[in-house]
Amino acid sequence: AQKITQTQPGMFVQEKEAVTLDCTYDTSDPSYGLFWYKQPSSGEMIFLIYQGSYDQQNATEGRYSLNFQKARKSANLVISASQLGDSAMYFCAMRDPGGDFGNEKLTFGTGTRLTIIP
Amino acid sequence: NAGVTQTPKFRVLKTGQSMTLLCAQDMNHEYMYWYRQDPGMGLRLIHYSVGEGTTAKGEVPDGYNVSRLKKQNFLLGLESAAPSQTSVYFCASSYPLGSSGRTDTQYFGPGTRLTVL
Repeated sequence: AQKITQTQPGMFVQEKEAVTLDCTYDTSDPSYGLFWYKQPSSGEMIFLIYQGSYDQQNATEGRYSLNFQKARKSANLVISASQLGDSAMYFCAMRDPGGDFGNEKLTFGTGTRLTIIP
Repeated sequence: NAGVTQTPKFRVLKTGQSMTLLCAQDMNHEYMYWYRQDPGMGLRLIHYSVGEGTTAKGEVPDGYNVSRLKKQNFLLGLESAAPSQTSVYFCASSYPLGSSGRTDTQYFGPGTRLTVL
């Protein structure tokens, strides 16, 4: 079964510093996708970035980048130049290619609560 | 463009009562999902649908039923609510993996906070 592990329940980072949120995964399927979502205190789930297992380069989206190390099965989120608005819960998720219909589902980690300190 | 919407936003039920949560999406996505989020845990999949008229069980389906009568709507029903169903419920939708020129990123609604007394 697919599994996502986020080992940092909480992090405090000084504003303007870079921050790395850890995510490791476990799957026997060669084709998978990894996602990061942000959940601010208002509660909505905001998609940040996606990395496919066959992608040759690390994904980037503005200040977000994904440090994808396939052999180590890790997909860490890097936020450059952190801002106060980055304070939120961050969830790593993996697309599960299995299931009754052979279709895509997401398995989520338990999340990391990031607090940016002014 | 509203994206994914959920109604209601908040609801309090007594044990044994029933209710239906409505999810609607205007992105013409084929796939729709219902998740629940509990403290200290990530989101867990309840049921999902790969198209109109088709539904399937997720990780935690017991106590819930779903229907997808229209492509844009996905309903989650609780026939006899229990305190263990107190949670925040999220709906999401996506294109299928491999859809030409599209990604399978799931887009979420704002959530419904349900309390069962």
